[in-house]
Amino acid sequence: GQNIDQPTEMTATEGAIVQINCTYQTSGFNGLFWYQQHAGEAPTFLSYNVLDGLEEKGRFSSFLSRSKGYSYLLLKELQMKDSASYLCAVGPRDDKIIFGKGTRLHILP
Amino acid sequence: EPEVTQTPSHQVTQMGQEVILRCVPISNHLYFYWYRQILGQKVEFLVSFYNNEISEKSEIFDDQFSVERPDGSNFTLKIRSTKLEDSAMYFCASFPLGAGYTFGSGTRLTVV
Repeated sequence: GQNIDQPTEMTATEGAIVQINCTYQTSGFNGLFWYQQHAGEAPTFLSYNVLDGLEEKGRFSSFLSRSKGYSYLLLKELQMKDSASYLCAVGPRDDKIIFGKGTRLHILP
Repeated sequence: EPEVTQTPSHQVTQMGQEVILRCVPISNHLYFYWYRQILGQKVEFLVSFYNNEISEKSEIFDDQFSVERPDGSNFTLKIRSTKLEDSAMYFCASFPLGAGYTFGSGTRLTVV
């Protein structure tokens, strides 16, 4: 079966750091994706991990451990505009990805 | 930056009517997809399309749904006889292998 778990909601303060965790169980693995989605808008691509380790891209970093079925998205120097849902998604194969339910991140001033 | 374009942005239709949602994927991408997101719920896979045929479809993608790439650029999703529960945001996406999907801005379908 396919299962992706991430916390439903998180709250953090402007300027701080937040880590959003994701665990997954899928039949097959072809990469893990993180997307950002603002309310009423399409998901936008943040990161893609296919090998173990940390990928850094500006204020955002994503980590993957395939043996543990675990990933996290790290957001540094939080800004108010980072208030959004963050979607963890796994590609069990080339021709589809499966999304988790998303983590709604609230940023407080 | 190349974009995936979807039209219309919002469609209201009566239950039982047919709707066609249109997408223009990024031209050099290989895979094309439709996803949907019911309000407040997660993004759900509907269908993937590769080499001019369906590669995989979910259990949601029943006989009421069909996809076409009629002219090599447009990619359409047809719902033959809409139901109230088809009301959702429908996202088209495309991607080259080994990278992240690019999603279109979506079509909000409201069935009344």
